[in-house]
Amino acid sequence: ETGVTQTPRHLVMGMTNKKSLKCEQHLGHNAMYWYKQSAKKPLELMFVYNFKEQTENNSVPSRFSPECPNSSHLFLHLHTLQPEDSALYLCASSPETALDGNTIYFGEGSWLTVV
Amino acid sequence: SQQGEEDPQALSIQEGENATMNCSYKTSINNLQWYRQNSGRGLVHLILIRSNEREKHSGRLRVTLDTSKKSSSLLITASRAADTASYFCATDGGAQKLVFGQGTRLTINP
Repeated sequence: ETGVTQTPRHLVMGMTNKKSLKCEQHLGHNAMYWYKQSAKKPLELMFVYNFKEQTENNSVPSRFSPECPNSSHLFLHLHTLQPEDSALYLCASSPETALDGNTIYFGEGSWLTVV
Repeated sequence: SQQGEEDPQALSIQEGENATMNCSYKTSINNLQWYRQNSGRGLVHLILIRSNEREKHSGRLRVTLDTSKKSSSLLITASRAADTASYFCATDGGAQKLVFGQGTRLTINP
């Protein structure tokens, strides 16, 4: 238990569906992240939020839409995805985005399959 | 762009042996971190080494950092079957975000 909870753990969706991934952290952190992990690729940073404000969008397609209503919750809204978007989506948090000595705490991930 | 690159991509050793994994990076850093990931799970932080440190220990883990060569190594001594996992290095690259390498897949054979 890392203090970062992701739901659902597994999701299968069609290309025309709209779904959302949810992340909640109980660590009192101010920064939250979405990462994508595909087979045979490095972990890709998608979005960074600091104090609910988006500070990084790593050229992510608009079919992925993040939402951060408060410092404890982060959503990833999904619509009209492609099969190549199938991956493990990892949420993470850290005390601040300034990384001098900060550890990132990851959730267990949400396995997404697009059919 | 990818900052850290782990080497080897896969490593298989017998239980009790030592495992060494290497990480190379491209730009100057403030610190370098190592993470572990069990299959299909989230990443777990193992150890952080700052740019002004050369070596750090944590239990059976030993991390070295050579900033002149832009490289780091992770040594796991007296390996156990439970050490089977993927290991990632992550660097800040001087920026306010962590960039991960592709990882080393470590298998410990009983």
